[in-house]
Amino acid sequence: ETGVTQTPRHLVMGMTNKKSLKCEQHLGHNAMYWYKQSAKKPLELMFVYNFKEQTENNSVPSRFSPECPNSSHLFLHLHTLQPEDSALYLCASSQWGLPSSYNEQFFGPGTRLTVL
Amino acid sequence: AQSVSQHNHHVILSEAASLELGCNYSYGGTVNLFWYVQYPGQHLQLLLKYFSGDPLVKGIKGFEAEFIKSKFSFNLRKPSVQWSDTAEYFCAVNPLYNFNKFYFGSGTKLNVKP
Repeated sequence: ETGVTQTPRHLVMGMTNKKSLKCEQHLGHNAMYWYKQSAKKPLELMFVYNFKEQTENNSVPSRFSPECPNSSHLFLHLHTLQPEDSALYLCASSQWGLPSSYNEQFFGPGTRLTVL
Repeated sequence: AQSVSQHNHHVILSEAASLELGCNYSYGGTVNLFWYVQYPGQHLQLLLKYFSGDPLVKGIKGFEAEFIKSKFSFNLRKPSVQWSDTAEYFCAVNPLYNFNKFYFGSGTKLNVKP
């Protein structure tokens, strides 16, 4: 596998379910990101991890819980979601640090989440 | 509120027509600028980027973008589009004062008619 992979690619869940999204990057990067992509809206940055430490939580509801066990893996744990949480969830990675030219993001294919 | 604006939400062109997609942002200071493309059914891919130096940057597939600092703009251009350019295009801004954050526009869907 190369680049950034995400599993599952599609997920349908009820509001009371608990599920997890997985992201893995094979690029040797030290920063990973979760984004939410909804139709006709800008990509919304949710969480940022640098060197496995969370450095940004963009006011995301607690029903979304990220986990970064190492620099290559990132999870998004989902619990009691709402129908408005249905969206495409994208993972990205980058090589964070100076010079700024390294701060280019590489995206995974996304997980299409539907909450019933 | 600070933002990234892509004023054209949907653009339809015929093959060989010229393309210009607008991107304006409201973040001050030094910024990194990106254009990403998302082809149907595929993931976001980097088209081009600007960090410093020549404000006219060239990317893949014949795309280029011009950074005009005074106008807070980073417009994407291509002199002659092809049917294969049909995709959604996203402008993104990374302000250096907040290195962790990337701000995206809402995207422009481009349909190129053969």
